[in-house]
Amino acid sequence: GAGVSQSPSNKVTEKGKDVELRCDPISGHTALYWYRQSLGQGLEFLIYFQGNSAPDKSGLPSDRFSAERTGGSVSTLTIQRTQQEDSAVYLCASSYIAGTSTDTQYFGPGTRLTVL
Amino acid sequence: ILNVEQSPQSLHVQEGDSTNFTCSFPSSNFYALHWYRWETAKSPEALFVMTLNGDEKKKGRISATLNTKEGYSYLYIKGSQPEDSATYLCALRGSARQLTFGSGTQLTVLP
Repeated sequence: GAGVSQSPSNKVTEKGKDVELRCDPISGHTALYWYRQSLGQGLEFLIYFQGNSAPDKSGLPSDRFSAERTGGSVSTLTIQRTQQEDSAVYLCASSYIAGTSTDTQYFGPGTRLTVL
Repeated sequence: ILNVEQSPQSLHVQEGDSTNFTCSFPSSNFYALHWYRWETAKSPEALFVMTLNGDEKKKGRISATLNTKEGYSYLYIKGSQPEDSATYLCALRGSARQLTFGSGTQLTVLP
């Protein structure tokens, strides 16, 4: 079956512009995560959606970042007034929550965002 | 807050060599430890999920062990091949479902 897909694969934008990154999770997966990897850093958690519950936004670095998940499927991460420090690879992952601690997160190929 | 450290940061080995690298964590207060392989321009690929002290997992030439009492996990690759070249990531899952990642070990296998 299809894995997690993300679009665009690459995005170059100018400082101050807004960008939207899209994630299509694996069908049937109830949980969706956004992470990012900045240059020289490890993967950093941003936000987590699970079913109809309120999202865990504890990893969002500023109020310029927001995300939504429509219909329990596709998710969009929006960055407003982009800054150069927002340049990173943004990864989306999904998982099927089986009620155990060993749920595997399946990752998409990422969107490489460059802010000039 | 979970802390995850990986070493070495990068590693070059010759084809056919066996190698290993380390994921260490000061606290065993986590639910699961995950290993991923991330090749350039591809999605991170899940390798193993481990939860119990003494866990050992194997997938082909790759295996992993977990020692929660001493705070480390080892990933072993037997007979490295050029296609094993990738960044290997270790991550912990705590009480929240998101993963906390180490900075990875970048492996290059030279033909």
